[in-house]
Amino acid sequence: GDSVTQMEGPVTLSEEAFLTINCTYTATGYPSLFWYVQYPGEGLQLLLKATKADDKGSNKGFEATYRKETTSFHLEKGSVQVSDSAVYFCALILFGNEKLTFGTGTRLTIIP
Amino acid sequence: EAGVAQSPRYKIIEKRQSVAFWCNPISGHATLYWYQQILGQGPKLLIQFQNNGVVDDSQLPKDRFSAERLKGVDSTLKIQPAKLEDSAVYLCASSPEGEQYFGPGTRLTVT
Repeated sequence: GDSVTQMEGPVTLSEEAFLTINCTYTATGYPSLFWYVQYPGEGLQLLLKATKADDKGSNKGFEATYRKETTSFHLEKGSVQVSDSAVYFCALILFGNEKLTFGTGTRLTIIP
Repeated sequence: EAGVAQSPRYKIIEKRQSVAFWCNPISGHATLYWYQQILGQGPKLLIQFQNNGVVDDSQLPKDRFSAERLKGVDSTLKIQPAKLEDSAVYLCASSPEGEQYFGPGTRLTVT
């Protein structure tokens, strides 16, 4: 079945460090890929998305590129801030199916 | 624009008791979802409604879970009777088409 595998956390970085959170997927078709973020006490928010191979999603300094050849969608940010501390979820949807399949989430903590 | 509202935010019950969660989606969103998020895992879809009809409830444990969306707006999710393994955050999301907007969730603890 369809699945998403995320880098296990927790991840702790110093402010202004470079961030990478790995995400790979298995899908029977051609999925759209998403990164969601969950700040403490809040619901999931869509951070960025990419709908086809080689697309790059970006938002708030975060980027992820849809790599079909490696079935990956790694999340990156060049300089993290304390306010980026949250849980990050990679997810996919297959075309024609609105069901989101999530990874297990990666907790990120940024220390000043 | 108001977001997805859920209540209660927290609930503690004993096993074998019943509990109900409420969700008010964003106005005009035809599709509504209920997810279960167990600690340390990603959200798992329980049920999906399109207006007031069920689209997908394949992952809903129907012996104890039920959900309804009367009039195609608000929705309730019920667990009866609860088990220890039902301890989780229950997330509601709504969608006009495509992107899903999530509520803050209800954290359920079953003791």
